[in-house]
Amino acid sequence: EAGVTQSPTHLIKTRGQQATLRCSPISGHTSVYWYQQALGLGLQFLLWYDEGEERNRGNFPPRFSGRQFPNYSSELNVNALELEDSALYLCASSLAASRPNTEAFFGQGTRLTVV
Amino acid sequence: KQEVTQIPAALSVPEGENLVLNCSFTDSAIYNLQWFRQDPGKGLTSLLLIQSSQREQTSGRLNASLDKSSGRSTLYIAASQPGDSATYLCAVEEGDMRFGAGTRLTVKP
Repeated sequence: EAGVTQSPTHLIKTRGQQATLRCSPISGHTSVYWYQQALGLGLQFLLWYDEGEERNRGNFPPRFSGRQFPNYSSELNVNALELEDSALYLCASSLAASRPNTEAFFGQGTRLTVV
Repeated sequence: KQEVTQIPAALSVPEGENLVLNCSFTDSAIYNLQWFRQDPGKGLTSLLLIQSSQREQTSGRLNASLDKSSGRSTLYIAASQPGDSATYLCAVEEGDMRFGAGTRLTVKP
């Protein structure tokens, strides 16, 4: 069974551009979480989608946005990129929020570099 | 607002030692707590999930405990090996998941 897959694995963008990161959850999982991990720092919660709805977002500016598609895959969009957006972006999936006592599994991440 | 703290931030031990990693959280209204390991530049690998109604979980050389009332969890690693070297993260789920900053473990041969 395929795990959580993220694409691309690496992304280099220029300051001011937009970046789109993609995540495909494990089959049967409907909850998708996005995290930012800047170099040497912990995981900062970005967004949580469940069954197509945004359920919560972390303390990030509005230029960080996303969506979840009917097949439960998800996109994270970062507009007007800044140098400090350079980080590893991690996606995780789990079963629906209505079934909270389930394991979450992570993808290998997208390394975004803003130059 | 949930705050998750992990102590120590870094730990270096000789191979074969038993060790304990600590995780504390401020809001005890959690669904579960999950321990992960992360190798440098990689994603997270799930180690153990403890549901809120459980007190501990075991997998091989790993044992995790949970005391919801005091807001604490420990991860016990028995007979540590160099391959255990990684950053260990705990996360509490209360709808979304909130992470501690991690403990960076180095096991020396």
